[in-house]
Amino acid sequence: DGGITQSPKYLFRKEGQNVTLSCEQNLNHDAMYWYRQDPGQGLRLIYYSQIVNDFQKGDIAEGYSVSREKKESFPLTVTSAQKNPTAFYLCASSIGSDQPQHFGDGTRLSIL
Amino acid sequence: QKEVEQNSGPLSVPEGAIASLNCTYSDRVSQSFFWYRQYSGKSPELIMSIYSNGDKEDGRFTAQLNKASQYVSLLIRDSQPSDSATYLCAVTRDYGGSQGNLIFGKGTKLSVKP
Repeated sequence: DGGITQSPKYLFRKEGQNVTLSCEQNLNHDAMYWYRQDPGQGLRLIYYSQIVNDFQKGDIAEGYSVSREKKESFPLTVTSAQKNPTAFYLCASSIGSDQPQHFGDGTRLSIL
Repeated sequence: QKEVEQNSGPLSVPEGAIASLNCTYSDRVSQSFFWYRQYSGKSPELIMSIYSNGDKEDGRFTAQLNKASQYVSLLIRDSQPSDSATYLCAVTRDYGGSQGNLIFGKGTKLSVKP
C-alpha cells in the first residue's frame, strides 16, 4: 500500500542527545514536510523540501536539521540545541507545494 | 503574520444534526483550502479540499468557500458519534518564498452526542 511511514512511534531523548526521526514515503511525492504539534495547538512547520537535495526552513527550524538525499526519505534530527523537544512530530508529503498534504502516523518525542 | 482562526470549541451537537465548523484567514491571496480531521492521539486525515468560491459536497461533508469574506466552512450532515474529533482548517501561504505551504488553524473540537 502507498503511504507515509514514520518511525519510531515513540522516542525518548536524554539531555544533550541528538535524535533522528525517520520519514519514508512511497507515493512518489516531490514535496515533504515536518511539523510539530503541541497539546491544544495547531501544526507548526519545522522544515520543508520541494525537491531532492533542497530544503527550506519553516517557522520554527531552530534546534532541528534535515536532509533530503532521496525522494522517498526526509529524516528530521532534533538536536541538543532544541531545549523543549517534547511534542508530537508529523511528517507529510504532497505531489506539489500547493497540493493536499498527507500525513504519516507521527512520532511522540519525550525527554527522559 | 498570516493567520488562520478557528473557534476552539468544543462544539457539541446531537447525533443526526448538522455540525457547522468555521474558519477565517487573513491572507487575501490564499488559493487553496483544506479540512483535516484529527482523532485524539492520531495524525490529521484530509477530508476536503476546495479551491473556488461556492460549495463542494462529498458524501455527508460540504465545504463552503467565500474568498471575498476570507471565510471557509465545513458542514457535516447527519452527524455521527464517530465524527467526534478535532477539525483543522488549512490554507495555502501564497506569498514570499514559501508559496504553497500550509498554515493550519488550531482546530475546532467536535463532540457528537448519541
